[in-house]
Parts: sequence; C-alpha cells; structure tokens
Amino acid sequence: AQTVTQSQPEMSVQEAETVTLSCTYDTSENNYYLFWYKQPPSRQMILVIRQEAYKQQNATENRFSVNFQKAAKSFSLKISDSQLGDTAMYFCAFMKPGWSGGSNYKLTFGKGTLLTVNP
Amino acid sequence: DGGITQSPKYLFRKEGQNVTLSCEQNLNHDAMYWYRQDPGQGLRLIYYSQIVNDFQKGDIAEGYSVSREKKESFPLTVTSAQKNPTAFYLCASRLGRGSDTQYFGPGTRLTVL
Repeated sequence: AQTVTQSQPEMSVQEAETVTLSCTYDTSENNYYLFWYKQPPSRQMILVIRQEAYKQQNATENRFSVNFQKAAKSFSLKISDSQLGDTAMYFCAFMKPGWSGGSNYKLTFGKGTLLTVNP
Repeated sequence: DGGITQSPKYLFRKEGQNVTLSCEQNLNHDAMYWYRQDPGQGLRLIYYSQIVNDFQKGDIAEGYSVSREKKESFPLTVTSAQKNPTAFYLCASRLGRGSDTQYFGPGTRLTVL
C-alpha cells in the first residue's frame, strides 16, 4: 500500500517571501500521479498542482511549482511571492494510474501542512 | 454554473439515527467519491463509484452505505453502526476514463450529539 508523509505539521512565512512544503511517499509503482491540494478556512479542497511521474519536467502553475525527485520519492511544493490568501492547509496526495490493477484512481493523502502567511 | 454541491453544510443528529448526506454534480463526470476528514488527519476514502449502478468500498466503509442510481448523484448514508460519525465529509468527482484529477465539493460537517 502507498503511504504519503508530510513531516511539517505547521509552517509560517512572511508575505511576499518564498516557502517550500515537503512531501515524501512510498510506492513500488513506476508510473503514478502526485497532487497538491489546498484547503483554506472555508474547507473547500482546491487543486493546486499535478505531476505525472513519467514526466521529468517539474510542474508549475503561476506562483506554485514542485520539485519532483522520483528516485528519492520526494514531491515538495514551492510557493513564491506568498500572499495572505495562500493561508491554508496543504495536502499532498498520491494516485496510481488508471491502467494499474486495483487503482480505480483512488487518492492517498498525507496528513497535511498548515501554512500561515503573515502580513 | 457547473460544479459539485453538497447539502446540508452543517448537520446535527442524535446518536443511533441514520443520516443521509447529499452530493450532486452537473459536470457530467462518471466517477464519484466520498471522503472523511478528521482533525489532524488527511482524507480517508469511504466509498467510490466509477459508473452508475456500481460502487466499491474504500478504506473505511464500515458503518456507511451509498447508492448510485443517477450519474449526477451519489448520496452517503451514515448508519447507527458507525461508531464515531462526527467528522467533515467531502464528496469528489472525476471525469472518467483517462482523467486522473478529482474535484471536490464544499463538504458537510456532521455532528452526532
């Protein structure tokens, strides 16, 4: 079974600075997907960024980028130019691809990192 | 406006009563999922459905039941057999074959008194 570990329960950053959230995972699969979701105080889960394991290029979405290290099974999220609206719980998640037996596109989540952006 | 709706936002029930949480989507997505979130925990999968009239147990299905009679709807019933039902419940959907991304509804906070 896959496991996802987020070792930082809480982090804080000053507005306009850069912060990196860590995520490691354990799997024997070679092909898979990784996601970062954001959950602000409203509790709505919002997709931040998605990475396909067979792509070496790190995914980016505006101020959000990842550092995907497949051999190390590491998937960190970098937030540049932090904004007050980035304050949220951030979840890292793993998914086996649909063609992998027993997958059914199920997500396995880490326990989350609470990020606070200070003015 | 397309999206996933969950109702109600807050739900209170007495211990021993069954309660049904609603999840509706108008995204024409084939697959739907129910997750449970407890304080300090990530999301855990309760049930999922890949297509209409078909569903499978997730990691923590005991004490829950679902139905998928329509593509748009995937209601979750929390039964009296669920020993600790107070939690935040999230519904998600996914387009279908070849699509890997799940999109989430706003959630329902269930409190059992």
